[in-house]
Amino acid sequence: GESVGLHLPTLSVQEGDNSIINCAYSNSASDYFIWYKQESGKGPQFIIDIRSNMDKRQGQRVTVLLNKTVKHLSLQIAATQPGDSAVYFCAENLGGSNYKLTFGKGTLLTVNP
Amino acid sequence: NAGVTQTPKFRVLKTGQSMTLLCAQDMNHEYMYWYRQDPGMGLRLIHYSVGEGTTAKGEVPDGYNVSRLKKQNFLLGLESAAPSQTSVYFCSSGGQGSEKLFFGSGTQLSVL
Repeated sequence: GESVGLHLPTLSVQEGDNSIINCAYSNSASDYFIWYKQESGKGPQFIIDIRSNMDKRQGQRVTVLLNKTVKHLSLQIAATQPGDSAVYFCAENLGGSNYKLTFGKGTLLTVNP
Repeated sequence: NAGVTQTPKFRVLKTGQSMTLLCAQDMNHEYMYWYRQDPGMGLRLIHYSVGEGTTAKGEVPDGYNVSRLKKQNFLLGLESAAPSQTSVYFCSSGGQGSEKLFFGSGTQLSVL
């Protein structure tokens, strides 16, 4: 998985499998977290977000889990499809009136048909 | 509704040349940001603005200037381009009270 500070990790899965992308964050004061998907040559696209008062949030085929005890965030993609191949970034926000996101370095997900 | 639009999409500069990257958003967002993206480095914040007429430095502001004369536009300027500024630049915007950012499609800049 990725961390704000590590080199770009990669994850390769078979089509139809579930994917889990991990992210460690360092600031215990962060109260908002967000996942973005970036396809080659495009800008980041919003996938799902979660606030620190939640442990889990589900979207369409995606679930984000937040473990504040160990400062860990994960993105689960169900029934991964070739169109899911992209770089996935997690980002955190320190909260308050600070609307700046700090991004991790991303995880490259490759889906094999 | 185009969202966030960046121009140009590609540009090649010689060292020492200047240029301006334009970002326009049609979502009436208060907050606008310029990021750069380098291989293995993720997105790093250059400058940002919390409203028309305001700007602030981000993580890597040196060598760049910005202006937010109109709410919908956020300009990023390079006064004297350097090879270290070769990167992909992304503009984003966000609404007041929301941390979710919307991104443009990027500008690929090469400085020779």
